[in-house]
Amino acid sequence: AQSVTQLGSHVSVSEGALVLLRCNYSSSVPPYLFWYVQYPNQGLQLLLKYTSAATLVKGINGFEAEFKKSETSFHLTKPSAHMSDAAEYFCAVSELGGYNKLIFGAGTRLAVHP
Amino acid sequence: DAGVIQSPRHEVTEMGQEVTLRCKPISGHNSLFWYRQTMMRGLELLIYFNNNVPIDDSGMPEDRFSAKMPNASFSTLKIQPSEPRDSAVYFCASVPLGQRSGANVLTFGAGSRLTVL
Repeated sequence: AQSVTQLGSHVSVSEGALVLLRCNYSSSVPPYLFWYVQYPNQGLQLLLKYTSAATLVKGINGFEAEFKKSETSFHLTKPSAHMSDAAEYFCAVSELGGYNKLIFGAGTRLAVHP
Repeated sequence: DAGVIQSPRHEVTEMGQEVTLRCKPISGHNSLFWYRQTMMRGLELLIYFNNNVPIDDSGMPEDRFSAKMPNASFSTLKIQPSEPRDSAVYFCASVPLGQRSGANVLTFGAGSRLTVL
């Protein structure tokens, strides 16, 4: 069965600092991996996705993530945090033939302070 | 495109009452998913449909929950009778063409926040 583990339910960074949100996956077949962001009282919005093309994936708002098969990881990074990045971030996995259903991690709440 | 439309956005009801949540997927999307979000359990997949047919309802918590998709443009999630532990945000999401590739992107609605007193 597929699963996703996000290390750290809360991450706090200073404005301008590096953002690193960790995600590890478990899948018996090559996975497709996604990062979604949720702002307060809103639905989930796609940040980026990995679908077996380039291992370094660039997304919206300056975020990127690197797929590392050897480490079963798909960590999300942003070089310089902005106050508007404060939100909850979810890593998710799907698989070929799975009707695109997503299995989500528990989420990481990112706080950005001045 | 108006995106995935969910109604109501907020619902407050009393224990034992019937609750119906509604979802209109994006036109042309024929796979639809219902998720539930709570602090304790995070985002849980309840049920999903492909071409209006339920594919997997193993995430539905119990018989009090039911979901239908009578046509390609409408789905409902019903809870009868409701209980306080059903309090959560319920999200609907749709994806185009029903492809089984796994690589397509789900578009989420804004959610329906349910409070059962």
